[in-house]
Amino acid sequence: QVQLVQSGSEWKKPGASVKVSCKASGYTFTGASINWVRQAPGQGLEWMGWINTKTGNPGNARGFTGRFVFSLDTSVRTAYLQISSLKAEDSAIYYCTRDRGSPAGFDSWGQGTLVTVSS
Amino acid sequence: QSVLTQPPSVSGAPGQRVTISCSGTSSDIGAGHDVHWYQQLPGTAPKLLINGHTNRPSGVPDRFSGSTSGTSASLAITGLQAEDEADYFCQSYDGSLGEVIFGGGTKLTVL
Repeated sequence: QVQLVQSGSEWKKPGASVKVSCKASGYTFTGASINWVRQAPGQGLEWMGWINTKTGNPGNARGFTGRFVFSLDTSVRTAYLQISSLKAEDSAIYYCTRDRGSPAGFDSWGQGTLVTVSS
Repeated sequence: QSVLTQPPSVSGAPGQRVTISCSGTSSDIGAGHDVHWYQQLPGTAPKLLINGHTNRPSGVPDRFSGSTSGTSASLAITGLQAEDEADYFCQSYDGSLGEVIFGGGTKLTVL
């Protein structure tokens, strides 16, 4: 079955970097884009951007430029989210999701990775 | 601030019908972009509930239905059950921004 398995929780100090992984299985990896969604504590869902798994081209939402980088390693069917210069307000759960294109929606989600930024 | 507007909370008794609204603009829902709905149970990842306005993925009970009209969409839940208590989010696409957008979410309480 389709699965997206993310790396474990991270605790980082302000100014550090973090890299979250999302390993896909159960489908053709290049058959769907990978999107990243942030959920701050007690808050709603924010779309951060996506990466085209065929070309490797990323697309960042306006509020997630500069410090947020999406990447791939297709040889191990894994997508990555790297956040640099971490701030306290980056503390959140980060989800990867699969999108097979309209009208599919985000039909499979990773379990989420909690990133806590605190000194 | 979320681009799609949902009520913060709705409630209903077991067996009742509830609806959750999702209001957009002429750039997103009104432009004909797909509307999707997600259910998020406490402490878990969101789950796709409705895609493409009205389609229920395999395994989603037919108690859940979606509809879209103009610049708004709705999620209806009939025969409310205790296990339906969750947060519900609508999603669409803003063609002017070129971005996926979410509603702020609605907490459903089963009384």
